[in-house]
Amino acid sequence: DGGITQSPKYLFRKEGQNVTLSCEQNLNHDAMYWYRQDPGQGLRLIYYSQIVNDFQKGDIAEGYSVSREKKESFPLTVTSAQKNPTAFYLCASTLGQGLAGYTFGSGTRLTVV
Amino acid sequence: QQQVKQSPQSLIVQKGGISIINCAYENTAFDYFPWYQQFPGKGPALLIAIRPDVSEKKEGRFTISFNKSAKQFSLHIMDSQPGDSATYFCAASLDSGNTPLVFGKGTRLSVIA
Repeated sequence: DGGITQSPKYLFRKEGQNVTLSCEQNLNHDAMYWYRQDPGQGLRLIYYSQIVNDFQKGDIAEGYSVSREKKESFPLTVTSAQKNPTAFYLCASTLGQGLAGYTFGSGTRLTVV
Repeated sequence: QQQVKQSPQSLIVQKGGISIINCAYENTAFDYFPWYQQFPGKGPALLIAIRPDVSEKKEGRFTISFNKSAKQFSLHIMDSQPGDSATYFCAASLDSGNTPLVFGKGTRLSVIA
């Protein structure tokens, strides 16, 4: 079955650590996105990529980094510079060209301990 | 200009009743308006979407009403069921969905028997 796989489902980070969240899709989608979800805040865009080897900052990119070396993969690194990283992180993809909506993964819940 | 304002924040509806969630936007260049449904611990899933060239779109029990002059759109859930209890997000984007979606803050719907 085609879809988006996010891993791990739960992640715990110590203060000062970098952690990487995985996002893999087998939908042959060109565009991929990372959103952060906090209670009552909706979904806020962190980074997005519309083609391989290219990505753009979203509204809250500070303290995060991404790479897009393969069409299928768009990992997100939460760096120690992100002061409040505890949140639910959602990865999404789309064909683009306005042909369909986003397909979301099941999310990764990151907690700072 | 890039915000989408969603109301109410939470909603309680009797089984069989009509659930109505409203969204307003400022950027008149937005041309794609989807609604997403999210269950706890899961990623959002596309429910229904509309473009500004139509005033209404219906899919089963779900209807989007779109008022271009008022810059508002709403989701109506007819014959609401307990299984509809979830968080609903409206969103908007430019260029027929080729730019990242801007999401509202969400509405938590509870349908009670």
